[in-house]
Amino acid sequence: DVKVTQSSRYLVKRTGEKVFLECVQDMDHENMFWYRQDPGLGLRLIYFSYDVKMKEKGDIPEGYSVSREKKERFSLILESASTNQTSMYLCASSFGGMRNTEAFFGQGTRLTVV
Amino acid sequence: QKEVEQNSGPLSVPEGAIASLNCTYSDRGSQSFFWYRQYSGKSPELIMSIYSNGDKEDGRFTAQLNKASQYVSLLIRDSQPSDSATYLCAVKGGGATNKLIFGTGTLLAVQP
Repeated sequence: DVKVTQSSRYLVKRTGEKVFLECVQDMDHENMFWYRQDPGLGLRLIYFSYDVKMKEKGDIPEGYSVSREKKERFSLILESASTNQTSMYLCASSFGGMRNTEAFFGQGTRLTVV
Repeated sequence: QKEVEQNSGPLSVPEGAIASLNCTYSDRGSQSFFWYRQYSGKSPELIMSIYSNGDKEDGRFTAQLNKASQYVSLLIRDSQPSDSATYLCAVKGGGATNKLIFGTGTLLAVQP
């Protein structure tokens, strides 16, 4: 079974803190994604990566950065957390190219910024 | 225009009926289409994928794709209360991109 694991299920951080959300997958997937999910807005793509050290901005990258130093790990970084970044964060991974490209999700991290 | 559009619902159907969920997309070059189910408080889980025009059936679920009209649909036959969830349509962009974009989801409520 594909396993995508996010480091925390719930997280509470203070405004201005630097926050790291970690995601690890065990299926040798090339693609990894970070989404945030808010009521009425669905899943919005923040960043994705198609290879080690490669990344592309999604639809809402402002206030976020990412790091992919190893193929299995994709980190989302909130440089200076703000209350409007309170949300559910979901990591996903998939094969790349023209192969079967279903994405599989981690369990999500509910981040609250106070 | 949003890249992937769904009616937010709620879509209410009686138990045993057919539920029909629809999705339209804007990128004509898109090649891969997915339906995910998400229960409240849980992460999305894949239920169907479809890559070519026509119908694809898996148990009570049928995905339909019409690339000329740029829509994809999901039919759930013999709907059960356990099918009550938000259904998310996802589209992988055309060409070399690996971008996977989701619609906002349709909330389905199956009434016992």
